[in-house]
Amino acid sequence: GAGVSQSPRYKVTKRGQDVALRCDPISGHVSLYWYRQALGQGPEFLTYFNYEAQQDKSGLPNDRFSAERPEGSISTLTIQRTEQRDSAMYRCASSLATLQETQYFGPGTRLLVL
Amino acid sequence: QQQVKQSPQSLIVQKGGISIINCAYENTAFDYFPWYQQFPGKGPALLIAIRPDVSEKKEGRFTISFNKSAKQFSLHIMDSQPGDSATYFCAARSLYNQGGKLIFGQGTELSVKP
Repeated sequence: GAGVSQSPRYKVTKRGQDVALRCDPISGHVSLYWYRQALGQGPEFLTYFNYEAQQDKSGLPNDRFSAERPEGSISTLTIQRTEQRDSAMYRCASSLATLQETQYFGPGTRLLVL
Repeated sequence: QQQVKQSPQSLIVQKGGISIINCAYENTAFDYFPWYQQFPGKGPALLIAIRPDVSEKKEGRFTISFNKSAKQFSLHIMDSQPGDSATYFCAARSLYNQGGKLIFGQGTELSVKP
């Protein structure tokens, strides 16, 4: 079956522009997570949702970062007024439920801010 | 604050040898400890996981050893194969305190030489 998909796979933008990263979780998965992964590092938690409710956004670096999941399925991570330090791999993961531990990761979106 | 420390950063093992990767954690509320395997260009994929009520879990050539008193856990790959060459991440979760989010180690790049 289809796994977690993310789009775009690569995004190059200029500093100061807004970007929107999309995550399409595995069908029926209740929980959706966003992580950021710097080169040579492990994924770092940003935020997560159960259905459409944002449960924890403690990992979002600042108020330029926001996420939504309005219908409890597809999620969008938005970065406003991008900065060079935002360049990283952004990964989405989903799980059947919060209590279901296995998180399935997508291929990620590589963001480069020039 | 780094909550999961992983070592070594890189590891080279001969085919047929044993690969050992170690992780240490600080938060005694962690209740789930997975290992993820990541190949270049792919997202992390769950390899094996353990809960703190057992000291060892084995799945095929992969074993997790868990030492609750020392707050350490390790991944052992027996009869290592070139196809095992990947980056390995340990992680931890505290469902009660932090929901489903995973805290990852920094990763270990494993290379198995033929």
